[in-house]
Amino acid sequence: DAGITQSPRYKITETGRQVTLMCHQTWSHSYMFWYRQDLGHGLRLIYYSAAADITDKGEVPDGYVVSRSKTENFPLTLESATRSQTSVYFCASSDGPLRPYEQYFGPGTRLTVT
Amino acid sequence: GENVEQHPSTLSVQEGDSAVIKCTYSDSASNYFPWYKQELGKGPQLIIDIRSNVGEKKDQRIAVTLNKTAKHFSLHITETQPEDSAVYFCAARANAGGTSYGKLTFGQGTILTVHP
Repeated sequence: DAGITQSPRYKITETGRQVTLMCHQTWSHSYMFWYRQDLGHGLRLIYYSAAADITDKGEVPDGYVVSRSKTENFPLTLESATRSQTSVYFCASSDGPLRPYEQYFGPGTRLTVT
Repeated sequence: GENVEQHPSTLSVQEGDSAVIKCTYSDSASNYFPWYKQELGKGPQLIIDIRSNVGEKKDQRIAVTLNKTAKHFSLHITETQPEDSAVYFCAARANAGGTSYGKLTFGQGTILTVHP
């Protein structure tokens, strides 16, 4: 049971480049989330999705784009990366109506923007 | 929106001692309070949670208490072991209002170190 996976685990990119972080879950959970983790800020929600083709902004959505064409995938795109987007990014999923609040996290992607 | 404050930011204990981490929240309508443990290089892992209709919940060596009146909740770890060393995060789920899903707001995290 793979659970929730993220790729790549590490990424270095240059300012202005487009970067896509991938998230895949095998549980068929309806809800998926993207967080960024920065020292002193804990985890902050970027975007979330209630189902395929349904997405909504979180606390810090600026500079990010998401899509969800399939239930199991929830990619996060930085359209034009900035140094302030250097962070560790976590994807999470939740079982929706059955266990609506319990979120399960992936291993994270460490992104460095130079 | 919801605001969650977590204290202390670092906590150092001897093996076998108890550890307590405290969080306060601002939205009185929040109704779900999970705790996550994050080990180095890994994603956060849910270890225990409590809902607003319950005052205390225990699971072996860990327990969580909730005081709705004071809007604070705490994580208690007894008989600590070196493998308990990690970063612990509290969170609160704000009431969803018109939407079907309320978002989790996380505290800033506590680095717990258990010395053998």
